[in-house]
Amino acid sequence: NAGVTQTPKFRILKIGQSMTLQCTQDMNHNYMYWYRQDPGMGLKLIYYSVGAGITDKGEVPNGYNVSRSTTEDFPLRLELAAPSQTSVYFCASSYSTGTSGTEAFFGQGTRLTVV
Amino acid sequence: AQTVTQSQPEMSVQEAETVTLSCTYDTSESDYYLFWYKQPPSRQMILVIRQEAYKQQNATENRFSVNFQKAAKSFSLKISDSQLGDAAMYFCAYRQTSGSRLTFGEGTQLTVNP
Repeated sequence: NAGVTQTPKFRILKIGQSMTLQCTQDMNHNYMYWYRQDPGMGLKLIYYSVGAGITDKGEVPNGYNVSRSTTEDFPLRLELAAPSQTSVYFCASSYSTGTSGTEAFFGQGTRLTVV
Repeated sequence: AQTVTQSQPEMSVQEAETVTLSCTYDTSESDYYLFWYKQPPSRQMILVIRQEAYKQQNATENRFSVNFQKAAKSFSLKISDSQLGDAAMYFCAYRQTSGSRLTFGEGTQLTVNP
């Protein structure tokens, strides 16, 4: 059972370049999340989705875009990379019915460096 | 907006001893989930324990237990018989039952001394 899979695991970008971080889950979870974690800090929510076709901004959405065309996939797009986007990025998923649900399951993270 | 506060950036414990990590949260909701996650140096986020707010009984998982005080909005994690493998960053997290946002605290770095 793969769970939540993120690719790539590591990436170095030059300032101004763009890239997409891929995330896919095989647990049929309706909720998906993107977080960033700066060194020694907690997780900040970038974007989240409650189902295919529905996305919403989190705490730190500037400089990022997302889409959710399928239940399984939730890619994160970085446009015009900046050094401030150097961080570790986590994708997560969970299931909720509104009255019950599961904990969030996490991918292994992507370490992104912008130089 | 809900907030989660972990007031102890760092904690240390001797192997085989007991340690308690603190977490408080702010919410006006009555139905929610609380979680403790462990993040070892490998960076993987691992669920340690979860608590449903409607349950009065404190959750336990082997050596890990919580002290859930709903009125005080407090959710502390107790680790008994600490082991070297418990050394990690620990995060407290909150999610409203009917909501979608999962909010994390800033984390507590736990060191286990042999």
